[in-house]
Amino acid sequence: GAVVSQHPSWVICKSGTSVKIECRSLDFQATTMFWYRQFPKQSLMLMATSNEGSKATYEQGVEKDKFLINHASLTLSTLTVTSAHPEDSSFYICSAGDDKGGYSNQPQHFGDGTRLSIL
Amino acid sequence: QQEVKQSPQSLIVQKGGISIINCAYENTAFDYFPWYQQFPGKGPALLIAIRPDVSEKKEGRFTISFNKSAKQFSLHIMDSQPGDSATYFCAASRDTDKLIFGTGTRLQVFP
Repeated sequence: GAVVSQHPSWVICKSGTSVKIECRSLDFQATTMFWYRQFPKQSLMLMATSNEGSKATYEQGVEKDKFLINHASLTLSTLTVTSAHPEDSSFYICSAGDDKGGYSNQPQHFGDGTRLSIL
Repeated sequence: QQEVKQSPQSLIVQKGGISIINCAYENTAFDYFPWYQQFPGKGPALLIAIRPDVSEKKEGRFTISFNKSAKQFSLHIMDSQPGDSATYFCAASRDTDKLIFGTGTRLQVFP
């Protein structure tokens, strides 16, 4: 099946540090990747849609200068949390759209998430 | 219009029983309805998905029932097992658009 690899799975860093999270589609190409944030016992909140070779589309309320997204190839998207603060601590999950089913972006396959803790 | 309502919030089922989770939507333009299973500390995994041209889809112990006129769809887990204990999310999307997730249902299956 389609596999999405997310790295790192867990990161702890000091306030003010920038953190980069990678999302790779291992056995398929993904024109579109998505970045989500999930708080404990809550649903997934879409942060932004990342399209290969173009600027990301951010959801309302998400600071694009805080959460930098780069989708430089059909298999890799990165999310950089710049100058991270304790309130940025969360579970970040990426997904990649597999359009082999004939519908662009579906189904979406998810990575295993990155737990970010800012001290 | 973009919301997907999911119920119940939590569900406790005995081993061997049937687990039923319901979702409702308003946007009639939605044309793709997946269910995801998420274990603690992991990303969601696609379980099963349905398009609006069919009323039911079955894969193993998992069945989606879809009622287009009522704008509702549900997940049935037959012969529920302790290993099915997880959080389940329904979702909906329109063509190439983003997924809209339900609020999630925490399922606990007791032996």
